[in-house]
Amino acid sequence: AQRVTQPEKLLSVFKGAPVELKCNYSYSGSPELFWYVQYSRQRLQLLLRHISRESIKGFTADLNKGETSFHLKKPFAQEEDSAMYYCALGKGGATNKLIFGTGTLLAVQP
Amino acid sequence: NAGVTQTPKFQVLKTGQSMTLQCAQDMNHNSMYWYRQDPGMGLRLIYYSASEGTTDKGEVPNGYNVSRLNKREFSLRLESAAPSQTSVYFCASSEGLVSSNEQFFGPGTRLTVL
Repeated sequence: AQRVTQPEKLLSVFKGAPVELKCNYSYSGSPELFWYVQYSRQRLQLLLRHISRESIKGFTADLNKGETSFHLKKPFAQEEDSAMYYCALGKGGATNKLIFGTGTLLAVQP
Repeated sequence: NAGVTQTPKFQVLKTGQSMTLQCAQDMNHNSMYWYRQDPGMGLRLIYYSASEGTTDKGEVPNGYNVSRLNKREFSLRLESAAPSQTSVYFCASSEGLVSSNEQFFGPGTRLTVL
């Protein structure tokens, strides 16, 4: 069965500290992985996707098929990074049905 | 350009009542989706519409019906609301059904069923 696991409900770090939000997935096919973010009082929005291999707002994520992980990383956290982060799994091809993880609340303390 | 809009923002129903959640998008997207979000559960897909005139079940379709009224609008109907349907409902749209397409989300509807 397809599944996305985000083991941490809450991650609290100090400004300037490194951040790693964990995401593991279970899927037998070729997955497409995404990170969506929801800032306070804003809509859920796409942060980045693995196929783009891009850095957005200083965040990067590498798909590790061996460990079935797609952890989100940022070397130096900023207070404006505080938000709810969701990892999502797409099955690839002509289907856009996403499976979301339960989310991790990132709190960056001043 | 409002993106994805949802009405109402909040709703309280009694068990057994019916209601329709409305969703519209102005991005000329082909595909639209309905999700529910429950504490500790993440977002789960209820129904989706690949294109105008088509709808398909998602992960948790029981107790819901949908209508893709036209390319812009995708409504979700609860025929006989139950307390288990208390949730936050999100509508989303994407250019197409290809999995790499970004999904754009509405602001959500918070529904309480007493």
